[in-house]
Order: sequence, then C-alpha cells, then structure tokens
Amino acid sequence: EPEVTQTPSHQVTQMGQEVILRCVPISNHLYFYWYRQILGQKVEFLVSFYNNEISEKSEIFDDQFSVERPDGSNFTLKIRSTKLEDSAMYFCASSASLDRVHGYTFGSGTRLTVV
Amino acid sequence: GEDVEQSLFLSVREGDSSVINCTYTDSSSTYLYWYKQEPGAGLQLLTYIFSNMDMKQDQRLTVLLNKKDKHLSLRIADTQTGDSAIYFCAEMNTDKLIFGTGTRLQVFP
Repeated sequence: EPEVTQTPSHQVTQMGQEVILRCVPISNHLYFYWYRQILGQKVEFLVSFYNNEISEKSEIFDDQFSVERPDGSNFTLKIRSTKLEDSAMYFCASSASLDRVHGYTFGSGTRLTVV
Repeated sequence: GEDVEQSLFLSVREGDSSVINCTYTDSSSTYLYWYKQEPGAGLQLLTYIFSNMDMKQDQRLTVLLNKKDKHLSLRIADTQTGDSAIYFCAEMNTDKLIFGTGTRLQVFP
C-alpha cells in the first residue's frame, strides 16, 4: 500500500537554528499538508499546499515557517529560527484530490525537539 | 471557532466493547472521521461517516452520529489488545481536518 514517508523520524536542534522536515508524499497525490502535535495536545493544522502554492494556512504558520515542493517528489517544511515551543511531532499528509470520503494519508511523523 | 472534544482515557477488558465519544461544534461539517494512532506510528484512517448518515458499520467498528447534539461515537466490538492506541475524531472544515484531543484506549487481559 502506498505510504507517505517522513524523514528524519526524530530531530534534535538548538534554539535559533533552522530545520527542514522532509516528506515524500504518495506519487500521484496533488494536495499536501503539514500538521503538528505538541505533546499531550491536539493535532493542529499548519498548512495546505496545491499547485505549487499555499492553499490555506493557520495562525500558527507565521513567517518563521515555509513550505516547498522543490523537485516534484519531496515536500518540505522549513522552520527558520526554531523556538522551544516548536518542539512537537510534525505530520505530513497527502491526498489525490479533495476526496473527503477518504481523508488523507498521513506519514509517521517527525519528532522535533528544540533544546 | 471549530472545536472537537473527547475524553482522554478509556480502559476496557479484552473481549468487551469499547465506546469512544466525541463532540464537535461545526454544524456545517459534512464528513467526520476516526483516526487511530499506534505508538510511534502515523495517523491511520479507520472509518468516516457522512453527515446525512446516523450510523455506519464496518466489521467490528460502528460509528454513530447524532447531528442534533453534534455527538459522534466509535464502538469497537470484541476489543483486542491490538486495539490499544490513541483514537482521534476529526471533522473536515474546508480542506483541513480539525482533530479532537484523542482518547487513549487501553485494553487489559
């Protein structure tokens, strides 16, 4: 069964450093998403991406965050200057269409720890 | 804004039924979902229900929707130890999912 792949599974970074979280969505999918889950809290929407541009973003997704689809297969989330409160599990998801029946396919997540 | 709430923990004996409850606020939600998260894994879609349905059954899973009360439940029949996980309900708002806090289901022998 096709999977969404995220790397690395765990990343530790110092406060103020830039991090790039990588995702390989399912190959024929067109819609891409990032969500995050701070430990013990809800899974929160960050951003959706379609046709090489952001479709929607949440209040969390401020100027420190950016997304990119650099080469047609990867989908990345960059945090420019990490803060302690960015520590969370980050989930990438993709879907073939706005197929609300099947929702999305999520990756296993990247646990980001900012120290 | 939209909000989805769940109880945090549920503990059941193996073989019993589990019922996980969820309430949501957005009456315009057309699809509601249940996701399962096992330790170290991603979010796996278990089932969904369309808002014009009251019930959906899928093998051991039964979803009940009370649209008037904005209440969604997931019943797992004959709960097994492999069902131990965190269960999230979620509603679709425009193109994004609004998740609940998740209910940790613990199954003991």
